[in-house]
Amino acid sequence: NAGVTQTPKFQVLKTGQSMTLQCAQDMNHEYMSWYRQDPGMGLRLIHYSVGAGITDQGEVPNGYNVSRSTTEDFPLRLLSAAPSQTSVYFCASSYSSSPSTDTQYFGPGTRLTVL
Amino acid sequence: KQEVTQIPAALSVPEGENLVLNCSFTDSAIYNLQWFRQDPGKGLTSLLLIQSSQREQTSGRLNASLDKSSGRSTLYIAASQPGDSATYLCAENSGYALNFGKGTSLLVTP
Repeated sequence: NAGVTQTPKFQVLKTGQSMTLQCAQDMNHEYMSWYRQDPGMGLRLIHYSVGAGITDQGEVPNGYNVSRSTTEDFPLRLLSAAPSQTSVYFCASSYSSSPSTDTQYFGPGTRLTVL
Repeated sequence: KQEVTQIPAALSVPEGENLVLNCSFTDSAIYNLQWFRQDPGKGLTSLLLIQSSQREQTSGRLNASLDKSSGRSTLYIAASQPGDSATYLCAENSGYALNFGKGTSLLVTP
């Protein structure tokens, strides 16, 4: 199993540009989520999904969009990039649709810089 | 909102020492608590998961304990090695998200 994969590893955007961060898992996990990690702030939840076709907002959802058309993929879209979205983005997944009992597995991250 | 605190923020120890990393949380209504390791520029690697009904979990030289009533978890690392140098994060799960502490940066010197 490749586990949780994320692409790209690094990205530089200009303010106002849009882009999609890709996340995929091959473990047949129901639950997937996106976090951002900022110095001094720790990791914060952006959006999550408990299964194909079901998504919900986390702590910091503004400026981001998600969809879950398949079990394997959970892309994160930046609609109009802003410097405040400069961060490291992590995708995570767990087996159950309720992550309250499962280990969560993280991808390697995407380092995004918005100029 | 649940607050998760990790103390100390940074720790330096000589190789071979046993050490304890601390994690505290404000709301005892958690489902589980997970400890992660993060190497510089890398993702998070899960080390141990303790369910709310458990008191501790062990994996090799690592032992994690959980005391829900006092809102505390500890990660014990035995016989530390330079390869243990990393940032250690604890995260509590009380619903559909993990609430993370800001981590303890550990340096084990040869």
